[in-house]
Amino acid sequence: QKEVEQNSGPLSVPEGAIASLNCTYSDRGSQSFFWYRQYSGKSPELIMFIYSNGDKEDGRFTAQLNKASQYVSLLIRDSQPSDSATYLCAVSRGGRAGGTSYGKLTFGQGTILTVHP
Amino acid sequence: DAGITQSPRHKVTETGTPVTLRCHQTENHRYMYWYRQDPGHGLRLIHYSYGVKDTDKGEVSDGYSVSRSKTEDFLLTLESATSSQTSVYFCASYRRMNTEAFFGQGTRLTVV
Repeated sequence: QKEVEQNSGPLSVPEGAIASLNCTYSDRGSQSFFWYRQYSGKSPELIMFIYSNGDKEDGRFTAQLNKASQYVSLLIRDSQPSDSATYLCAVSRGGRAGGTSYGKLTFGQGTILTVHP
Repeated sequence: DAGITQSPRHKVTETGTPVTLRCHQTENHRYMYWYRQDPGHGLRLIHYSYGVKDTDKGEVSDGYSVSRSKTEDFLLTLESATSSQTSVYFCASYRRMNTEAFFGQGTRLTVV
C-alpha cells in the first residue's frame, strides 16, 4: 500500500462545476497536509495547507481533513479551464511549528484534472 | 518566485559518469530538499539539509550524495549515473516556521 494515495483520475469536469480530489494516507503520525498544483513542465505550487480536522476555505478552494479516517480532500468550486493541471497531495510528520520534519513531504502520485469549456 | 534556481535545467549524460545538480536560493532559507519526480510516483525525497553541513537521507537516497557548504547552495551528486536516475529533479526550500515550500524550476536529467 502506498503511503499517500490519490484518486487515480484523470478527472474531467465541465467549466463551472465542482471538482473533487481525494487523498488517503497511511501514516497516523502525519500532522501537516498540503495540496500542490503542477502545470505540465512546471514546478509544484502550493495552493492549500491544512493542519486540523474540518474544512478550510480559500477562495474557490476548500480543503477537508479527517484524521480519524486518514483522509484529505480538495474541492474546487466554479472550475475554470485554467485549473486544468495535476494536483498533488502531500503529507508531513512535521507540525505547524516547522522544523526539519516539516519539509519532508510524502507525495501522492497526483491526479490529472481537466476542466473543459 | 522566491529566488530559488536550479542548474542546469536540462542535461543528458552517459551511464557511469558523475553528475552534479545545483540548487541556489537567495532567501536565506535554512531547510533545503531534493526530490525526484517520475511518472506514477509523484515526488520522492532524495536528501535534505537543515543547515550548513547538516544533511540527511530521504526515501530514495541510494546512488546520490549531497553537500551544503553555504546556506544558499545545495548540491546533489550522482556519483555514477544510471538509467534509473533519469528523472526530473526538484529542489525546495523553506523558511523556518513558515507554511510554504518554494520549489525550483526543475532539472530534467536523462542518462543514456
